Amino acid sequence: QKEVEQDPGPLSVPEGAIVSLNCTYSNSAFQYFMWYRQYSRKGPELLMYTYSSGNKEDGRFTAQVDKSSKYISLFIRDSQPSDSATYLCAFSSGGSYIPTFGRGTSLIVHP
Amino acid sequence: GAVVSQHPSRVICKSGTSVKIECRSLDFQATTMFWYRQFPKQSLMLMATSNEGSKATYEQGVEKDKFLINHASLTLSTLTVTSAHPEDSSFYICSASGGRALQTQYFGPGTRLLVL
Repeated sequence: QKEVEQDPGPLSVPEGAIVSLNCTYSNSAFQYFMWYRQYSRKGPELLMYTYSSGNKEDGRFTAQVDKSSKYISLFIRDSQPSDSATYLCAFSSGGSYIPTFGRGTSLIVHP
Repeated sequence: GAVVSQHPSRVICKSGTSVKIECRSLDFQATTMFWYRQFPKQSLMLMATSNEGSKATYEQGVEKDKFLINHASLTLSTLTVTSAHPEDSSFYICSASGGRALQTQYFGPGTRLLVL
């Protein structure tokens, strides 16, 4: 079993849709949960960072962590064409500053 | 805050030459910097981790004599690809953590290297 599983997609949705992106993980030591957005030929940009289970909201983005199921999600409301990018989940444990990344999900929001 | 710059953004060189890529943290002190490589439609592959003033720690399979990393200050790390060959062509991305950004990494914009 891989340490992190993330469907590469692509996920294609119409503008205005609610997008759900997900990752599962197997390492119980992971305590920090992150989502990065990467546009084509650019470096990843940190979108959301959370430490605990539950929801964290920032504008149109909501990050959800379920430690008991080892499952994290990123929801994007009112999706826009400018949201088209690859979204990477990332995890780290308390003792390491080196996150483990998922392979990324490619999202396409079409007008 | 937490801005990381990378220079150059793109470089084309001849086979056998060496290429230096700079990574700077602009508004925080980066105690740790990371270098990644990314092939098209693939995830990030960690190459090495460097702490300021220390030798870099390379991931398994990464040649340390080919990819020289220097982290001379809390705001600057460099990656030198020595005697570059076409198979070294890739997208190289640095990231940094430190200060308030201790448990997360902030990425630079990447450098696209093409070796002819």
